[in-house]
Amino acid sequence: AQSVAQPEDQVNVAEGNPLTVKCTYSVSGNPYLFWYVQYPNRGLQFLLKYITGDNLVKGSYGFEAEFNKSQTSFHLKKPSALVSDSALYFCAVRDNAGNNRKLIWGLGTSLAVNP
Amino acid sequence: GAVVSQHPSRVICKSGTSVKIECRSLDFQATTMFWYRQFPKQSLMLMATSNEGSKATYEQGVEKDKFLINHASLTLSTLTVTSAHPEDSSFYICSARPGGRPDYEQYFGPGTRLTVT
Repeated sequence: AQSVAQPEDQVNVAEGNPLTVKCTYSVSGNPYLFWYVQYPNRGLQFLLKYITGDNLVKGSYGFEAEFNKSQTSFHLKKPSALVSDSALYFCAVRDNAGNNRKLIWGLGTSLAVNP
Repeated sequence: GAVVSQHPSRVICKSGTSVKIECRSLDFQATTMFWYRQFPKQSLMLMATSNEGSKATYEQGVEKDKFLINHASLTLSTLTVTSAHPEDSSFYICSARPGGRPDYEQYFGPGTRLTVT
């Protein structure tokens, strides 16, 4: 069965430190992987995606993520966190096996960047 | 580009009444729109997928007679919560896929907070 896991409900990091938000997935075919960010009372904003090609994907606001097929992971990273990065982050996956084209969403990770 | 708006941003209604939420793609034509529901501290739950000019496809467990979806034009989809009850209180988010774009590409609206009293 297709699934996405974000093992941490909350991540706390000091401003200026590197941050990592974890995501692992389970699909039967090749995955398309996505990260979205949600600020309070707002919709989701697209950060980055992995479709094919280079395993290291760079996205908006200085974020990047690395697709690791052997570990079935797609962790979100940023070298130096900002207070304004504090938000809710969602990982999503689409399984390209069969006819299912829906996105499967993780439960979200709340990132708090402390000044 | 690729801006999606929702109206209203928040609405409070009495139990038993109906409320309509609009989702508009402002600068592109959306052949497909999606409606999601998000509970506090929970993930997004896809409710239905609507294609312009045809009936919406509802996810398992979503009552189509309660959550009426109309995608009458390439820039507008509406979700009507009929005979609302307090358990329908939630954050409703729409997203839209531009025509001719990859099927994984979608842009999200800012959401509508529905409170049923």
